[in-house]
Amino acid sequence: EPEVTQTPSHQVTQMGQEVILRCVPISNHLYFYWYRQILGQKVEFLVSFYNNEISEKSEIFDDQFSVERPDGSNFTLKIRSTKLEDSAMYFCASNGIPFGETQYFGPGTRLLVL
Amino acid sequence: GENVEQHPSTLSVQEGDSAVIKCTYSDSASNYFPWYKQELGKRPQLIIDIRSNVGEKKDQRIAVTLNKTAKHFSLHITETQPEDSAVYFCAAVNRGGGNKLTFGTGTQLKVEL
Repeated sequence: EPEVTQTPSHQVTQMGQEVILRCVPISNHLYFYWYRQILGQKVEFLVSFYNNEISEKSEIFDDQFSVERPDGSNFTLKIRSTKLEDSAMYFCASNGIPFGETQYFGPGTRLLVL
Repeated sequence: GENVEQHPSTLSVQEGDSAVIKCTYSDSASNYFPWYKQELGKRPQLIIDIRSNVGEKKDQRIAVTLNKTAKHFSLHITETQPEDSAVYFCAAVNRGGGNKLTFGTGTQLKVEL
């Protein structure tokens, strides 16, 4: 069964550094998402992406964040200048259609900002 | 925007008992309600979902009910087993409004032997 994959599984970085989190969505899916989960808290929506552009973003997704689909398979989240409060698990998700189709989550990248 | 409340935050049951988790949502435009199970350090995994044109859906030991008028939906797990222990999240989606998942705050279910 196809799965969403993410790399790296863990990332430790210094405050102020840039990080890029990578995702490979399920191959025939067209809609891509990033969510984050601070330890012990709920999963929060960051951004959705379709047809090479952002469909929707939350208030968390400020100018420090950007997303890109650099080729036909990868979907990346970049945090330009990390802050301590960016420490969280970041999940990528994808689905095939926007209406009622299940979103499948990747295994996550645990980001720790020191 | 959508706000999803979930109760209880923790739930402890004896093996074989039933567990019920309840969620309420605020946006009447929400029309798709998935439930995810998350084991420690793992990804959320869909266990069941319900669409707004359906009042109840069942899959083996798991069932979900939806009351659109009251804007609440519930997860029912019967004959609980130790492997059901996990955090369960409800979510709401407005399928005409971008398809983002708005999650509840989660319920830590512990099934004791």
